[in-house]
Amino acid sequence: DAGVIQSPRHEVTEMGQEVTLRCKPISGHNSLFWYRQTMMRGLELLIYFNNNVPIDDSGMPEDRFSAKMPNASFSTLKIQPSEPRDSAVYFCASSLDSGGGQPQHFGDGTRLSIL
Amino acid sequence: EDQVTQSPEALRLQEGESSSLNCSYTVSGLRGLFWYRQDPGKGPEFLFTLYSAGEEKEKERLKATLTKKESFLHITAPKPEDSATYLCAVEGNFNKFYFGSGTKLNVKP
Repeated sequence: DAGVIQSPRHEVTEMGQEVTLRCKPISGHNSLFWYRQTMMRGLELLIYFNNNVPIDDSGMPEDRFSAKMPNASFSTLKIQPSEPRDSAVYFCASSLDSGGGQPQHFGDGTRLSIL
Repeated sequence: EDQVTQSPEALRLQEGESSSLNCSYTVSGLRGLFWYRQDPGKGPEFLFTLYSAGEEKEKERLKATLTKKESFLHITAPKPEDSATYLCAVEGNFNKFYFGSGTKLNVKP
């Protein structure tokens, strides 16, 4: 079975540019999560969706970050304008449900470098 | 404050030398405790879910146990391919997930 698919795997861009990260969750999963991972802060939850609806976006660092889930098989995380401190690995994860102790399954991430 | 703490931060073992990793938590309303393995350049890979104190799960050389305040990941006779970062996560009230900072395991041949 296909796991969570993220694209691109690597992104290098200059400060001020718009960055769009993409995620395709596991088919049938109805919860989707965006995380950011750095050496200093570990894994941080940015936002999660349940049945395509954003439920908790309290982890989104600033208004420069936005996320959408137009349908059950696709989500985007956008940063505009990007800054060097946004450099990190961004992970998308999906699960069968947002509650009830269901594990999240992760993609292999997008390594983002802002110059 | 809800949090998950893992220890040690790093662990170096000789091949065949058994040991345990610790995950302690202060999270309200435990819905599940999860162990993941993360290899460099990859996303966390799900290993186990534990739901209640006393529960145990096993997979090859790994065994996870759970008490009311902590979980252990026991590694029996590890091999170099077990080298990775092991992450613990706890789901609490309001479907919130809390991740620990991980234990980086290095098994030398």
